[in-house]
Amino acid sequence: QTVVTQEPSFSVSPGGTVTLTCGLSSGSVSTSFYPSWYHQTPGQAPRTLIYSTNTRSSGVPDRFSGSILGNKAALTITGAQAEDESDYYCVLHMGSGIWVFGGGTKLTVL
Amino acid sequence: QVQVVESGGGVVQPGGSLRLSCAASGFSVSSYAMHWVRQAPGKGLEWVAFIRSDGSNKYYADSVKGRFTISRDNSKNTLYLQMNGLRAEDTAMYYCAKGGERGTYYFHYWGQGTLVTVSS
Repeated sequence: QTVVTQEPSFSVSPGGTVTLTCGLSSGSVSTSFYPSWYHQTPGQAPRTLIYSTNTRSSGVPDRFSGSILGNKAALTITGAQAEDESDYYCVLHMGSGIWVFGGGTKLTVL
Repeated sequence: QVQVVESGGGVVQPGGSLRLSCAASGFSVSSYAMHWVRQAPGKGLEWVAFIRSDGSNKYYADSVKGRFTISRDNSKNTLYLQMNGLRAEDTAMYYCAKGGERGTYYFHYWGQGTLVTVSS
């Protein structure tokens, strides 16, 4: 059973930089998994931030960036703002028409 | 403007069935991969099902395989999720999502969701 791992929670100061990661319980994440990132505020539908590792979805501010760091996918927020307080989810395409979400990271901006 | 709108959720008894619909506008469901993703109350997102743009293949999470069926009606530009043998653990908000361009493997546009509650 493949498990996609994310930090359960993270905090960042306004204007600060934070990097959230997305790993695998066994093995390394590479661009071949087409990692994508989404954020979700309570009561709202998820919204797309990053796809194919590092491509920003339309309308997403450039303070959001995606990459591979070591053996994990990463989402970096540079210059965090209060409205970035949200739940963040990564998802990996495992091949054969299967996707697996990480458990999500609750980001606090304070 | 691209939009997907889910409907069909409700309260159903364990073992019962429900069919969710996802009406698309601004694009053709026959031209894009389409997905269902769910979120149990207070929990994270879980991918549920996927249908290829050409309809040639359908894939399911192990948790729903054999019970749920994804389909679409191109003439109505609508995606469906037929859910049979419902269990308490299927209680969730169900989101429809349009896939990205071919080869991008992500969920581009999301609907607002429809709530399914399985309870006696």
